[in-house]
Amino acid sequence: EAQVTQNPRYLITVTGKKLTVTCSQNMNHEYMSWYRQDPGLGLRQIYYSMNVEVTDKGDVPEGYKVSRKEKRNFPLILESPSPNQTSLYFCASTYRAPGQSLYGYTFGSGTRLTVV
Amino acid sequence: AQSVTQPDIHITVSEGASLELRCNYSYGATPYLFWYVQSPGQGLQLLLKYFSGDTLVQGIKGFEAEFKRSQSSFNLRKPSVHWSDAAEYFCAVGGVGYGGSQGNLIFGKGTKLSVKP
Repeated sequence: EAQVTQNPRYLITVTGKKLTVTCSQNMNHEYMSWYRQDPGLGLRQIYYSMNVEVTDKGDVPEGYKVSRKEKRNFPLILESPSPNQTSLYFCASTYRAPGQSLYGYTFGSGTRLTVV
Repeated sequence: AQSVTQPDIHITVSEGASLELRCNYSYGATPYLFWYVQSPGQGLQLLLKYFSGDTLVQGIKGFEAEFKRSQSSFNLRKPSVHWSDAAEYFCAVGGVGYGGSQGNLIFGKGTKLSVKP
C-alpha cells in the first residue's frame, strides 16, 4: 500500500531534550515536506525537500532541522524542543510530472507532540 | 503575497442537504488548487485538484469543485451530504514556481463540517 509513515504517533517530552520524528514513504516521491498544524492557524510548512540532499526552509523553520540522506526518509529533528513546539506534525510526499505542478501531497497520519 | 481564505470556520448541514464550502485565493501566477479532508485524528486526504482545463473538477466521495478565475474562488460542493462527511476541509494553493515556492502548498485555516441527522 502506498503510504507515508510517521513515528511516533504520540510523544510527550521535556523542554530541551532532543528528539527525532521519523518519516518514510514507499512511493519513490522526490518531494517531501513537514507541516505543523495548530488550532486557528491551519497548516504551516516547516521544511521541504526536492530530492536527496536538497532541502529548503518553509514558513516556520525556526527550531527544527531536517535531513534527506535517502529518497524515502525525511526525519524532523528538534534539537532543543520548547513548549511552543507543542503541535500536530504531518509529513507529506509528492511528485512532479515533467512540466507540471506538484501533484498533491500524500500525508502521513500525524505525530502529536507535547513539550512540557 | 499568496494566501488562501476559507471564510466559514464551521458549517452545519442536515444529512441529505447540499453543501458548498467556500475558498478564495490570492496567487500571483497560475494557481494550482487542492481540496483536502481531515477526519478526526487522521491525516489529510486529497479530495480533488485543479491544474488546468475544465474548470469543474470531480473528486472522490462525490465531491466536485469549480474554479472561477474572475472571482479567485475554488468552492467545494456536494449535492447530498452523508453523516460520514463530517470532518474538516482544507483548501490549498500551489504553483509551478521555482526555488522556494516549488515545494510549498499554502493552506487555508479550514472549515469544520458538522452533519445533523
